[in-house]
Amino acid sequence: DAGVIQSPRHEVTEMGQEVTLRCKPISGHDYLFWYRQTMMRGLELLIYFNNNVPIDDSGMPEDRFSAKMPNASFSTLKIQPSEPRDSAVYFCASSPGFEQPQHFGDGTRLSIL
Amino acid sequence: GENVEQHPSTLSVQEGDSAVIKCTYSDSASNYFPWYKQELGKRPQLIIDIRSNVGEKKDQRIAVTLNKTAKHFSLHITETQPEDSAVYFCAAGARNNAGNMLTFGGGTRLMVKP
Repeated sequence: DAGVIQSPRHEVTEMGQEVTLRCKPISGHDYLFWYRQTMMRGLELLIYFNNNVPIDDSGMPEDRFSAKMPNASFSTLKIQPSEPRDSAVYFCASSPGFEQPQHFGDGTRLSIL
Repeated sequence: GENVEQHPSTLSVQEGDSAVIKCTYSDSASNYFPWYKQELGKRPQLIIDIRSNVGEKKDQRIAVTLNKTAKHFSLHITETQPEDSAVYFCAAGARNNAGNMLTFGGGTRLMVKP
């Protein structure tokens, strides 16, 4: 089992650029979660999917953020345009079902200059 | 929605001592309570979890207790070792109309001094 795979591991870009983060969940997991982690706000849930369908996106900060899951093995989180306050570590996690452990990827460390 | 509070935010213990981290939650519908350990620069990793039909669970030096009436749960680490130093997160989860999500506490930075 390869675990949850995220790419890129690090991203440095200038303000205003589009950023795309990618995630491959564990095969067979029906749930996929996107989190943002900062020192100030801790671990925040941005959005999650069940069977590729977005269930709750109330954590998405604003319209600059969007997420898609076109199939069971791939999801993207996009920020357009990016701002310095978006700098954070973004984690993707997947889970096999209700009240089951979430398995985290290694995260993408995003820096917006 | 669910609100999870975690205390203390930092905890320093001597190697070999015990460490206790406490969490409270607000949603009585929460039924699943995992604990994650996050080392510096790494991903959160599940170390133990408990469900509401169980009051206590142990795994070697780690134990969790749950009091559903009082809506609080705790992590106990005995015989602490320097490699236990990390940030620990509690979380609460419930099956509800919105599906399946966890609400995380703010984290506890545990430092074990050799």
